[in-house]
This record gives sequence, C-alpha cells and structure tokens, in this order.
Amino acid sequence: NAGVTQTPKFRILKIGQSMTLQCTQDMNHNYMYWYRQDPGMGLKLIYYSVGAGITDKGEVPNGYNVSRSTTEDFPLRLELAAPSQTSVYFCASSRGQVEGYTFGSGTRLTVV
Amino acid sequence: DQQVKQNSPSLSVQEGRISILNCDYTNSMFDYFLWYKKYPAEGPTFLISISSIKDKNEDGRFTVFLNKSAKHLSLHIVPSQPGDSAVYFCAATRGGNKLIFGTGTLLAVQP
Repeated sequence: NAGVTQTPKFRILKIGQSMTLQCTQDMNHNYMYWYRQDPGMGLKLIYYSVGAGITDKGEVPNGYNVSRSTTEDFPLRLELAAPSQTSVYFCASSRGQVEGYTFGSGTRLTVV
Repeated sequence: DQQVKQNSPSLSVQEGRISILNCDYTNSMFDYFLWYKKYPAEGPTFLISISSIKDKNEDGRFTVFLNKSAKHLSLHIVPSQPGDSAVYFCAATRGGNKLIFGTGTLLAVQP
C-alpha cells in the first residue's frame, strides 16, 4: 500500500536550473494537490487538480507548472529555479472534496 | 492574509494530562475543518475533522470543538502520550477542494 509517492526526497538546484518533482498515487483518487512548506509557516497550495486533464492555480502558483495526463501522476515543474523556491514540497491526494488528504513524505529542495 | 491562524507556535504538557491546541479562522464561509499531525521528515497525516453543522466530534483520545460565532476551533487530546509529540496543523475549506492550513503548533509531551 504505497499511497502517495514523491521523488526525489532531496535535491539541490542552482539558480536558473529547472526540474520536475514527481508525484504518483495508487489509490485512484481524483483530487491531487501540491503544497509547499516554508520554515515556521503553514502549507501553501501551489496547484491542484480535480481529475485527469484538469488543473488550477492555488495560492502561490508563480514559478511553477503542472500537468495531469493520468489519474495517478501529478508532476510539478520548476522553471528557472530561484532561491525563494527553497522549501519542502508535499504532494497530496483525496478521493472526494471533503475527505482528509493523503500526503506524500515530501521533497526538500534547496536552490543555491 | 492568514485566513487560518495558530497563535501558539509550541505547547508542552506532561504525559497523561490534557493537550489543548487552538486555531482561529477569519473566513466565515469555511464549512469544514480538519486537524493534521506531522512528524519530522514525514508528510502530514489526517487526524480528525468537523463539519460546520456540528460543534463537537470525537475519535478516541481526540476531540475537536468548533465555536462558529468565535470562529475558533480547538483540538483536545486526553490523555496525552509521548507519541503525540508532533506538529499539529489545523486546516479549513469551503466546498472541500482547497485546504487552507494554519502555521502549526509543535506539541511536546513530556514523560
């Protein structure tokens, strides 16, 4: 029972580089989300998806892109990484709108 | 604009005593509230929730209270155990598909 799997767990990027954070869930959940957590702060919603082919912006979408070609996968793309994107990124999924989310274990990203 | 606020960054309690974690919100349109627990190097895990049509929900040692007029909710843990030591986030949603999280409270349960 894998749940939500995020890769990589850690990554160091140089300013201006790009990368994709991978997120896969095996629970057949329709809803998927990307959050970031900065030190001493709560989780901020970056992007979310209500099903394959449908994505929408959250609170802090600038500098990121997403796609949802399958129910299982919801990758997050960082283009032109900036130090302000240093954070811990969490992917989550849920079956319905009011059920508790299942989170992955996070990706710790440092941009230097 | 922080719509969900947890004003206590940390809380320390003795094992066996009650832990009370507080959360305030500003958006009266929120209709569902949740608590998550997070251990270091792990993702948050769902703990307990409450709909805005209720004022209390219990699950074992965990009880969530909602005071809509005060826009306040609290999580009670009785009795507290060392394994409860973690960061607790409250979250709120309107319509369900975008959770807004508070900044978290670090609970330390002393043996």
